[in-house]
Amino acid sequence: DIQLTQSPSFLSASVGDRVTITCRASQGIGSYLAWYQQKPGKAPKLLIYSASTLQSGVPTRFSGRGSGTEFTLTISSLQPEDFATYYCQLLNTYPPLTFGGGTKVEIK
Amino acid sequence: EVQLVESGGGLVKPGGSLRLSCVASGFTFSSYSMNWVRQAPGKGLEWVSSITTDSYIYHADSVKGRFTISRDNAKNSLDLQMNSLRAEDTAVYYCARARSNWYSDYWGQGTLVTVSS
Repeated sequence: DIQLTQSPSFLSASVGDRVTITCRASQGIGSYLAWYQQKPGKAPKLLIYSASTLQSGVPTRFSGRGSGTEFTLTISSLQPEDFATYYCQLLNTYPPLTFGGGTKVEIK
Repeated sequence: EVQLVESGGGLVKPGGSLRLSCVASGFTFSSYSMNWVRQAPGKGLEWVSSITTDSYIYHADSVKGRFTISRDNAKNSLDLQMNSLRAEDTAVYYCARARSNWYSDYWGQGTLVTVSS
């Protein structure tokens, strides 16, 4: 099975910082990747799908790039409401739908 | 407005069974594949099961043979029958609407399943 490895697992940043999270796949997956944001006690929220397509309603400070085995989620200017845990997820024509281990973004 | 509301969680003993339900509204349920995703306390997200519009099913290896996903389009309902439950099945279970290539664009609020003696 394909594995997804996120880095870092923890990130401390300030409001206004540019933040980049990386997700690496154990083998090439084309652009079959999604990114989610999850706040404590809440359901995950879809941010990006197909590696770089912004979900409707998601602020444009979020962007996704990559294909093959290396992907990034970038927040161009971190806002107070962005402090959360972020997950990448393998997509495919059919499951399994593996998630990465998560990256917690906390206030410095 | 798309809404997904899970129910059926609770405390169950190891080896026991539980049936989770998710009622959908605000969209044509029969036209969408659906996912179950779980999250153990303090842990990350884990994909559990998926079902297509024509009820073809997929399960994670960790639950295969014990869990069964199903849907009732007439009732706009998605179910997860969980048998032979183990302590490691303790988690919040989310249902989610699936789009092309299976990403989840809408999620329920989750229902907590606790497996403990």
